[in-house]
Amino acid sequence: KAGVTQTPRYLIKTRGQQVTLSCSPISGHRSVSWYQQTPGQGLQFLFEYFSETQRNKGNFPGRFSGRQFSNSRSEMNVSTLELGDSALYLCASMPSPSGSTDTQYFGPGTRLTVL
Amino acid sequence: AQSVTQLGSHVSVSEGALVLLRCNYSSSVPPYLFWYVQYPNQGLQLLLKYTSAATLVKGINGFEAEFKKSETSFHLTKPSAHMSDAAEYFCAVSVSQGAQKLVFGQGTRLTINP
Repeated sequence: KAGVTQTPRYLIKTRGQQVTLSCSPISGHRSVSWYQQTPGQGLQFLFEYFSETQRNKGNFPGRFSGRQFSNSRSEMNVSTLELGDSALYLCASMPSPSGSTDTQYFGPGTRLTVL
Repeated sequence: AQSVTQLGSHVSVSEGALVLLRCNYSSSVPPYLFWYVQYPNQGLQLLLKYTSAATLVKGINGFEAEFKKSETSFHLTKPSAHMSDAAEYFCAVSVSQGAQKLVFGQGTRLTINP
């Protein structure tokens, strides 16, 4: 079974631009979460989607948004990019957020550099 | 609010020596705890997880962790380090039933000396 895939793997943007990152979960997984990883702040939860609905959201400004499609694929968007948005963005999937102890499976991440 | 603290941002051991990576948690409810490993330019891979079934949890690659409620700890150990264990290790707690939202520690970078 294929793992979580994220595209693109690397991205360079300039301040003020916007960016869209894509995540395809493991087949059959319906819950997708996004995390931001930076050297200063570490790994921080952005948001989680299940059945095309955002269920949880982390403490990030409204410039960060996401969505999930009917096939469970997810995208996250960052508008008006700032230098501090440079980070590794990780996507994770799990079968469902049913309250079980299922594991979140992570993709390789998208490395975003904002110049 | 649930949180985790990893003691030591950088740990260095010799090949064949014991690996001990420390993690303490804070949680008002019985926690679900996880250890993940991250190799350079890769995502996170689950090593093991505690879900209250057993206090001693065995994971992949010879790692194990023991849940100690009295010490609010979930330290990761491996009896004999291998060069391939060099990576960054993250302890995490689930802030709800299950693993919908993980709160991570700051990570510990493990270096193995030949």
